[in-house]
Amino acid sequence: LAKTTQPISMDSYEGQEVNITCSHNNIATNDYITWYQQFPSQGPRFIIQGYKTKVTNEVASLFIPADRKSSTLSLPRVSLSDTAVYYCLVGDITFGNEKLTFGTGTRLTIIP
Amino acid sequence: GAGVSQTPSNKVTEKGKYVELRCDPISGHTALYWYRQSLGQGPEFLIYFQGTGAADDSGLPNDRFFAVRPEGSVSTLKIQRTERGDSAVYLCASSPGLDYGDTQYFGPGTRLTVL
Repeated sequence: LAKTTQPISMDSYEGQEVNITCSHNNIATNDYITWYQQFPSQGPRFIIQGYKTKVTNEVASLFIPADRKSSTLSLPRVSLSDTAVYYCLVGDITFGNEKLTFGTGTRLTIIP
Repeated sequence: GAGVSQTPSNKVTEKGKYVELRCDPISGHTALYWYRQSLGQGPEFLIYFQGTGAADDSGLPNDRFFAVRPEGSVSTLKIQRTERGDSAVYLCASSPGLDYGDTQYFGPGTRLTVL
């Protein structure tokens, strides 16, 4: 399984765009990149998933360069409710490889 | 519809005791997962069910841990002879199980404290 490295913590002010970068230098051909969000006393929640280039949904954008050795989760105009831990996961999502491997995540704190 | 539910939300037990943790997945989801999360760490995979059978139990730490899903819906994680090191939040997740990479939906977890 590809190992991921992401910052332990980040602070940002309300209304700003926040970018969290994850390094995964040994990503394999079949690996996808997935981001989860976790609030205190809750289970993780899926945010976004991608394989290459850019993916956007109503919550976030995911940027993946051509070499796929890193990825950046972009949260537009954050609010206090975006304070959470964000996990970057890299893994093969083909049948039989469904288990998720979490790292320690990035603790994002939004400052009013 | 309702999300994944887990009971109890908190469980305090004494070292050496037996505990059962219950997970009710989203209705219709055939895949069910158990994870364990220690303070300050990300969740750690324990076991995965597809239907009634355990498709992958490689994450169970030792033979004190066992999980069942007899009818393919509700699952119970059983821990025998609990140790203080078993203290953690136990998370359950489910997914439709119909396609590769289905999103996993997590419950709120059961906080287990072993005294």
